[in-house]
Amino acid sequence: DAKTTQPPSMDCAEGRAANLPCNHSTISGNEYVYWYRQIHSQGPQYIIHGLKNNETNEMASLIITEDRKSSTLILPHATLRDTAVYYCIAFNSGGSNYKLTFGKGTLLTVNP
Amino acid sequence: NAGVTQTPKFQVLKTGQSMTLQCAQDMNHNSMYWYRQDPGMGLRLIYYSASEGTTDKGEVPNGYNVSRLNKREFSLRLESAAPSQTSVYFCASTLGLRDTQYFGPGTRLTVL
Repeated sequence: DAKTTQPPSMDCAEGRAANLPCNHSTISGNEYVYWYRQIHSQGPQYIIHGLKNNETNEMASLIITEDRKSSTLILPHATLRDTAVYYCIAFNSGGSNYKLTFGKGTLLTVNP
Repeated sequence: NAGVTQTPKFQVLKTGQSMTLQCAQDMNHNSMYWYRQDPGMGLRLIYYSASEGTTDKGEVPNGYNVSRLNKREFSLRLESAAPSQTSVYFCASTLGLRDTQYFGPGTRLTVL
């Protein structure tokens, strides 16, 4: 699976949109971009995933560039409960590797 | 739905003691996984079970055994605990081997 690069930390004001970037310049055509988050001491929580089209669900939006070398996770109205480590993962759901590789992620701190 | 549940939440062992970590899911998922997470590191896969009756090693299987008791339950056993096994253990499940993973709340294990 392709390596992903994320900033180690970001801050966001409560009620504002949080935009979390991820670079995955070596991503292959059949690798999906997955986002998980881990709130302190809890198990990772699935947020969203996409292949090449932008995706939206009740938690977030995922914007993937046309060349698929980077993506942005958008939390439209961040709350204090969104403070967590966010992981961007490139995963080939059709390949032989079934293992999600969690890197260090981005620590998002939402401030009041 | 409870999702993925794990017991116990916390455990302290002495070196050489044995114990079994329990995991159960009520989402009718076929595949289940055991990960460990050490401070400052991502999750590492210990074992996984693609379907009931099958188990396979992940990247760090030494010192562990697993049992896929039935479709719902996947247990992780430490036969002779060592301090290096102090970690947070997460269980996850997926509908299929490479589908979105859903995680339990974790078991925090300390080996003295």
